[in-house]
Amino acid sequence: KAGVTQTPRYLIKTRGQQVTLSCSPISGHRSVSWYQQTPGQGLQFLFEYFSETQRNKGNFPGRFSGRQFSNSRSEMNVSTLELGDSALYLCASSLGGTQGSPLHFGNGTRLTVT
Amino acid sequence: DQQVKQNSPSLSVQEGRISILNCDYTNSMFDYFLWYKKYPAEGPTFLISISSIKDKNEDGRFTVFLNKSAKHLSLHIVPSQPGDSAVYFCAASESNAGNMLTFGGGTRLMVKP
Repeated sequence: KAGVTQTPRYLIKTRGQQVTLSCSPISGHRSVSWYQQTPGQGLQFLFEYFSETQRNKGNFPGRFSGRQFSNSRSEMNVSTLELGDSALYLCASSLGGTQGSPLHFGNGTRLTVT
Repeated sequence: DQQVKQNSPSLSVQEGRISILNCDYTNSMFDYFLWYKKYPAEGPTFLISISSIKDKNEDGRFTVFLNKSAKHLSLHIVPSQPGDSAVYFCAASESNAGNMLTFGGGTRLMVKP
């Protein structure tokens, strides 16, 4: 079974631009979550989608948004990029979206903002 | 304010010995806890979890212990192997928060041959 696939793996953008990251979950998984990993703040929850609906949202500004499609694939968008948005963005999927279904992470998209 | 803390940034252990990684939390609403392992350039990999109704869960060489009164959990790896060298994250969630996990800062484990 294929794992969680994130594209692209690496991305370099300039301040003020916007970026879209893509995530394909494990087949059959309906929950997709996004996390940001930085050296200073560690792994932080961005948002979770389940059956195309945002179920939870972390403490990030409105420049960070996401969506989920009917095939469970998900995208996240960051507008008006800032230097501090440079991070590893991780997508994770799970079967049922409840506590009993551990998250399976992709290898991430490394975003560098210059 | 860090709700989940891993106070040891690194740990070095000899191959074959026990590795003990610790994690403390402050939010009493957390009722499900997980450990993840992360290699460089890869996403975290799920290791083991425990519900707050239990105080111990085992899976092969990995055992997680939960002390609710102390708001403390630990991961024991016995015996440790060089391939276990990685960064280990503990994470916690509340029952009404879906897959919203709060992670600790991680502990880098080095297992020496």
